[in-house]
Amino acid sequence: KAGVTQTPRYLIKTRGQQVTLSCSPISGHRSVSWYQQTPGQGLQFLFEYFSETQRNKGNFPGRFSGRQFSNSRSEMNVSTLELGDSALYLCASSLLRPPGEAFFGQGTRLTVV
Amino acid sequence: DQQVKQNSPSLSVQEGRISILNCDYTNSMFDYFLWYKKYPAEGPTFLISISSIKDKNEDGRFTVFLNKSAKHLSLHIVPSQPGDSAVYFCAASLRDMRFGAGTRLTVKP
Repeated sequence: KAGVTQTPRYLIKTRGQQVTLSCSPISGHRSVSWYQQTPGQGLQFLFEYFSETQRNKGNFPGRFSGRQFSNSRSEMNVSTLELGDSALYLCASSLLRPPGEAFFGQGTRLTVV
Repeated sequence: DQQVKQNSPSLSVQEGRISILNCDYTNSMFDYFLWYKKYPAEGPTFLISISSIKDKNEDGRFTVFLNKSAKHLSLHIVPSQPGDSAVYFCAASLRDMRFGAGTRLTVKP
Protein backbone atom coordinates (compact mmCIF):
# COMPACT_ATOMS: atom_id res chain seq x y z
CA LYS A 1 0.00 0.00 0.00
CA ALA A 2 1.14 3.55 -0.62
CA GLY A 3 3.24 5.24 2.04
CA VAL A 4 2.96 8.71 3.48
CA THR A 5 3.15 11.35 0.78
CA GLN A 6 4.31 14.88 1.42
CA THR A 7 4.16 17.68 -1.12
CA PRO A 8 6.03 19.60 -2.22
CA ARG A 9 9.44 18.02 -1.59
CA TYR A 10 11.30 21.30 -1.79
CA LEU A 11 10.21 24.89 -1.31
CA ILE A 12 11.95 28.24 -1.31
CA LYS A 13 10.15 31.22 0.18
CA THR A 14 11.11 34.73 1.22
CA ARG A 15 10.76 36.20 4.68
CA GLY A 16 7.28 37.40 5.48
CA GLN A 17 5.55 35.06 3.09
CA GLN A 18 3.35 32.16 4.14
CA VAL A 19 3.54 28.54 3.10
CA THR A 20 1.25 25.51 3.11
CA LEU A 21 2.59 21.96 3.24
CA SER A 22 0.51 18.89 2.50
CA CYS A 23 0.55 15.36 3.88
CA SER A 24 -1.43 12.35 2.70
CA PRO A 25 -1.28 9.57 5.30
CA ILE A 26 -1.35 5.86 4.68
CA SER A 27 -4.84 4.73 3.78
CA GLY A 28 -6.79 3.94 6.93
CA HIS A 29 -4.51 5.92 9.22
CA ARG A 30 -6.35 8.59 11.15
CA SER A 31 -3.55 10.13 13.19
CA VAL A 32 -1.22 12.62 11.55
CA SER A 33 1.66 14.30 13.38
CA TRP A 34 3.97 17.04 12.15
CA TYR A 35 7.61 17.52 13.12
CA GLN A 36 10.28 20.08 12.37
CA GLN A 37 13.82 18.79 11.93
CA THR A 38 16.78 21.13 12.17
CA PRO A 39 20.46 20.23 12.56
CA GLY A 40 21.28 19.41 16.17
CA GLN A 41 17.67 19.74 17.34
CA GLY A 42 16.30 16.43 16.24
CA LEU A 43 12.60 16.20 15.52
CA GLN A 44 10.60 18.87 17.28
CA PHE A 45 6.93 18.04 17.71
CA LEU A 46 4.59 20.56 16.12
CA PHE A 47 1.11 19.09 16.46
CA GLU A 48 -1.00 15.98 16.06
CA TYR A 49 -4.39 15.59 14.43
CA PHE A 50 -6.82 12.75 14.85
CA SER A 51 -10.26 12.62 13.28
CA GLU A 52 -9.99 16.24 12.11
CA THR A 53 -9.23 17.51 15.63
CA GLN A 54 -5.94 18.83 16.94
CA ARG A 55 -5.12 16.60 19.90
CA ASN A 56 -1.75 17.94 20.96
CA LYS A 57 0.46 20.89 20.19
CA GLY A 58 4.16 21.45 20.73
CA ASN A 59 5.95 24.63 21.78
CA PHE A 60 5.78 26.56 18.54
CA PRO A 61 4.40 30.06 17.98
CA GLY A 62 0.93 30.64 16.64
CA ARG A 63 2.38 31.26 13.17
CA PHE A 64 2.41 27.49 12.84
CA SER A 65 -1.02 26.00 12.31
CA GLY A 66 -2.56 22.97 10.73
CA ARG A 67 -5.71 21.16 9.93
CA GLN A 68 -6.95 17.73 8.97
CA PHE A 69 -9.64 16.89 6.48
CA SER A 70 -12.29 14.20 6.59
CA ASN A 71 -10.14 11.93 4.40
CA SER A 72 -7.33 12.28 7.01
CA ARG A 73 -5.15 14.36 4.71
CA SER A 74 -3.47 17.13 6.62
CA GLU A 75 -2.04 20.53 5.84
CA MET A 76 0.39 22.63 7.80
CA ASN A 77 0.61 26.39 7.39
CA VAL A 78 3.36 28.76 8.46
CA SER A 79 2.65 32.45 8.21
CA THR A 80 5.04 35.40 8.27
CA LEU A 81 8.03 33.18 7.54
CA GLU A 82 11.31 33.81 9.33
CA LEU A 83 14.79 32.67 8.36
CA GLY A 84 14.78 30.31 11.34
CA ASP A 85 11.83 28.42 9.90
CA SER A 86 14.15 26.85 7.34
CA ALA A 87 14.00 23.15 8.12
CA LEU A 88 12.83 19.74 7.03
CA TYR A 89 9.16 19.31 7.90
CA LEU A 90 8.12 15.73 8.43
CA CYS A 91 4.68 14.24 8.60
CA ALA A 92 3.96 10.91 10.28
CA SER A 93 0.83 8.84 10.19
CA SER A 94 -0.38 6.20 12.62
CA LEU A 95 -3.25 3.78 12.61
CA LEU A 96 -4.14 4.74 16.15
CA ARG A 97 -3.32 7.68 18.34
CA PRO A 98 0.20 7.62 19.84
CA PRO A 99 1.84 5.62 21.32
CA GLY A 100 2.72 3.31 18.53
CA GLU A 101 4.68 2.88 15.39
CA ALA A 102 4.46 5.87 13.08
CA PHE A 103 5.21 5.98 9.38
CA PHE A 104 6.99 9.03 8.07
CA GLY A 105 6.93 10.76 4.74
CA GLN A 106 10.10 11.94 3.02
CA GLY A 107 9.52 15.45 4.26
CA THR A 108 9.33 18.91 2.75
CA ARG A 109 12.57 20.89 2.75
CA LEU A 110 11.65 24.52 3.32
CA THR A 111 14.24 27.22 2.75
CA VAL A 112 13.44 30.78 3.77
CA VAL A 113 15.62 33.46 2.19
CA ASP B 1 11.76 21.25 26.28
CA GLN B 2 14.21 18.41 25.83
CA GLN B 3 12.29 15.57 27.39
CA VAL B 4 14.25 13.03 25.38
CA LYS B 5 18.02 13.37 25.14
CA GLN B 6 20.62 11.65 23.05
CA ASN B 7 23.89 13.04 24.34
CA SER B 8 26.16 11.47 21.74
CA PRO B 9 25.80 13.19 18.38
CA SER B 10 27.94 10.56 16.68
CA LEU B 11 29.31 7.06 17.10
CA SER B 12 31.78 5.13 14.99
CA VAL B 13 32.26 1.35 15.23
CA GLN B 14 33.97 -1.36 13.26
CA GLU B 15 31.96 -3.78 11.18
CA GLY B 16 31.10 -6.89 13.18
CA ARG B 17 31.38 -5.17 16.55
CA ILE B 18 28.57 -4.03 18.82
CA SER B 19 26.99 -0.58 18.48
CA ILE B 20 25.39 0.85 21.60
CA LEU B 21 23.24 3.95 21.27
CA ASN B 22 21.97 5.64 24.39
CA CYS B 23 18.96 7.74 25.26
CA ASP B 24 17.75 9.44 28.43
CA TYR B 25 14.34 10.86 29.21
CA THR B 26 12.99 13.10 31.93
CA ASN B 27 9.26 12.35 32.04
CA SER B 28 8.57 9.21 34.06
CA MET B 29 5.04 9.10 32.60
CA PHE B 30 6.27 8.00 29.17
CA ASP B 31 4.89 4.52 28.60
CA TYR B 32 6.25 3.52 25.23
CA PHE B 33 9.66 3.94 23.66
CA LEU B 34 10.78 3.58 20.07
CA TRP B 35 13.87 3.75 17.93
CA TYR B 36 13.85 5.08 14.39
CA LYS B 37 16.53 5.02 11.74
CA LYS B 38 16.95 7.77 9.18
CA TYR B 39 18.93 7.78 5.96
CA PRO B 40 19.68 11.05 4.12
CA ALA B 41 16.81 12.36 1.99
CA GLU B 42 14.38 9.88 3.55
CA GLY B 43 11.94 10.05 6.42
CA PRO B 44 12.68 8.12 9.62
CA THR B 45 11.69 4.46 9.60
CA PHE B 46 10.59 2.49 12.63
CA LEU B 47 13.15 0.05 13.97
CA ILE B 48 12.12 -1.38 17.31
CA SER B 49 10.02 -0.46 20.33
CA ILE B 50 9.53 -1.36 23.96
CA SER B 51 6.68 -0.92 26.40
CA SER B 52 7.39 0.50 29.84
CA ILE B 53 6.28 -2.80 31.41
CA LYS B 54 9.25 -4.57 29.84
CA ASP B 55 12.99 -4.13 30.26
CA LYS B 56 14.17 -5.78 27.05
CA ASN B 57 12.93 -6.37 23.53
CA GLU B 58 14.85 -8.16 20.83
CA ASP B 59 14.41 -8.27 17.06
CA GLY B 60 17.17 -9.99 15.15
CA ARG B 61 20.37 -7.99 15.48
CA PHE B 62 18.60 -5.21 17.37
CA THR B 63 17.89 -5.19 21.11
CA VAL B 64 16.44 -2.36 23.14
CA PHE B 65 16.98 -2.19 26.89
CA LEU B 66 14.91 -0.04 29.22
CA ASN B 67 15.98 1.01 32.72
CA LYS B 68 12.98 2.85 34.17
CA SER B 69 14.64 3.75 37.45
CA ALA B 70 17.45 5.49 35.58
CA LYS B 71 15.08 6.81 32.86
CA HIS B 72 17.47 5.38 30.33
CA LEU B 73 17.18 3.22 27.27
CA SER B 74 19.72 1.86 24.88
CA LEU B 75 19.79 0.22 21.48
CA HIS B 76 22.29 -2.55 20.84
CA ILE B 77 23.15 -3.62 17.31
CA VAL B 78 25.09 -6.87 17.05
CA PRO B 79 26.87 -7.43 14.76
CA SER B 80 27.06 -3.99 13.21
CA GLN B 81 27.03 -3.78 9.42
CA PRO B 82 28.00 -0.93 7.08
CA GLY B 83 24.34 -0.69 5.99
CA ASP B 84 23.47 0.26 9.57
CA SER B 85 25.19 3.62 9.05
CA ALA B 86 22.43 6.18 9.56
CA VAL B 87 21.06 8.62 12.11
CA TYR B 88 19.21 6.90 14.94
CA PHE B 89 16.45 8.68 16.81
CA CYS B 90 15.11 7.66 20.16
CA ALA B 91 11.44 8.50 20.82
CA ALA B 92 9.20 8.37 23.86
CA SER B 93 5.44 8.38 23.75
CA LEU B 94 2.61 9.33 26.06
CA ARG B 95 -0.04 11.51 24.45
CA ASP B 96 2.26 12.25 21.54
CA MET B 97 5.72 11.15 20.46
CA ARG B 98 8.83 13.12 21.43
CA PHE B 99 12.19 12.59 19.81
CA GLY B 100 15.80 13.02 20.78
CA ALA B 101 18.30 14.93 18.67
CA GLY B 102 19.65 11.79 17.06
CA THR B 103 22.96 9.92 16.97
CA ARG B 104 24.82 9.46 13.71
CA LEU B 105 26.18 5.91 13.56
CA THR B 106 29.01 5.11 11.18
CA VAL B 107 29.97 1.47 10.73
CA LYS B 108 33.38 1.11 9.12
CA PRO B 109 34.16 -1.92 6.93
